[in-house]
Amino acid sequence: EIVMTQSPATLSVSPGERATLSCRVSQSVGTNLAWYQQKPGQAPRLLIYGASTRAPGIPTRFSGSGSGTEFTLTISSLQSEDFAVYYCHQYNKWPPYTFGQGSKLEI
Amino acid sequence: EVQLVQSGAEVRKPGESLRISCKTSGYSFTNYWIGWVRQMPGKGLEWMGIFYPADSDARYSSSFQGQVTMSADNSITTAYLQWATLKASDTAMYYCARMGAAGDYWGQGTPVTVSS
Repeated sequence: EIVMTQSPATLSVSPGERATLSCRVSQSVGTNLAWYQQKPGQAPRLLIYGASTRAPGIPTRFSGSGSGTEFTLTISSLQSEDFAVYYCHQYNKWPPYTFGQGSKLEI
Repeated sequence: EVQLVQSGAEVRKPGESLRISCKTSGYSFTNYWIGWVRQMPGKGLEWMGIFYPADSDARYSSSFQGQVTMSADNSITTAYLQWATLKASDTAMYYCARMGAAGDYWGQGTPVTVSS
């Protein structure tokens, strides 16, 4: 099974600042990597797929980069609504797809 | 508009059976895989399996193989997740997701509580 390791587990930042979240994968997944945002009591929301393509309706302050085993999600200027948990997800190989353990973005 | 609407909250006793549903609309149901994801209280997301309605191809994560069954009724564009024998450890939120560009559309989740 492909193991995904996200860092940091928790990131404390202020509105307006830049946030960078990392996802390391135990074997290459090419660019078959997605990022999701989950707020309390809500379903996950797709932000990025194909490592760097924003999903429809996602603000341009969200960007993804990387390929192979190292990936990054950057939020350029944090808004109050961005404080949430973020998960990376590899969909290169089944079984199974896997998620990272999540990174919590807090004020 | 693509929508996935899941069935409501369930409370069951250990040993009971359960089937939850994921009603889809706004797209061609048989052309996309449906994924099922578990989230235990206060924990992260786990892939349970993926299901292809066109040919009923069901693929399970090893952790869930033999524990749950995925299925679908194409005539009503609805996917299902079922348990034959629930355990207390099945208490969780369960999500369905359309696997387009990754999990591009999600249901709102079905909370399942298993308690004696």
